[in-house]
Amino acid sequence: SYVLTQTPSVSVAPGKTARITCVGNNIGSKSVHWYHQKPGQAPVLVIYSDTDRPSGIPDRFSGSNSGNTAALTISRVEAGDEADYYCQVWDSSSDHVVFGGGTKLTVL
Amino acid sequence: QVQLVESGGGLVKPGGSLRLYCAASGFTFSDYSMTWIRQAPGKGLEWITSISSSGSSKQIADSVKGRFTISRDNAKNSLYLQMNSLRAADTAVYYCSREALTANDAFDIWGQGTMVTVSS
Repeated sequence: SYVLTQTPSVSVAPGKTARITCVGNNIGSKSVHWYHQKPGQAPVLVIYSDTDRPSGIPDRFSGSNSGNTAALTISRVEAGDEADYYCQVWDSSSDHVVFGGGTKLTVL
Repeated sequence: QVQLVESGGGLVKPGGSLRLYCAASGFTFSDYSMTWIRQAPGKGLEWITSISSSGSSKQIADSVKGRFTISRDNAKNSLYLQMNSLRAADTAVYYCSREALTANDAFDIWGQGTMVTVSS
């Protein structure tokens, strides 16, 4: 089955840039979606189809996807960005949805 | 407003059954594929099962195949998850989610979740 690997934790100072990666075999050929989840809340879609932002998501959030690595970049990080972040794809070979294990973003 | 509201969670003994419900409002339910996703305490997200807009096509994770069944009633704007032969490992918050029309397999709307606890 297809596996997505995320670094368990990332720390960043306010105002700096955070980069959260999602590694999968030839992930660049798939469409990657990203969610953030704050404690006690449901996940929220922040990037879809590698690079697109849903309405209401600030342009500080951006995505990229190439080769074996997809990435979510958060510019000018704010305290409110502290959350768990998950990547997700659909694996055509199994016809299953796959989530990465999640990355906890800590704002110092 | 666009909303999904889950219900039906609770405490159940191992081997027992439970039926979860998801009530949709604020959008044309019959236009969208729907999905159940769960999250065990302190763990990540796990996709469970999806159903097409008409209900004619379903996909299900290996971890629950043969035990869980997804269904929908478009006339009632409702999504269901029938869970049988429950195990302790099924303990989780269960989320109902909507698959975005603009991006296949992205989930743009989520409910608040309903907790299922499997314990004797």
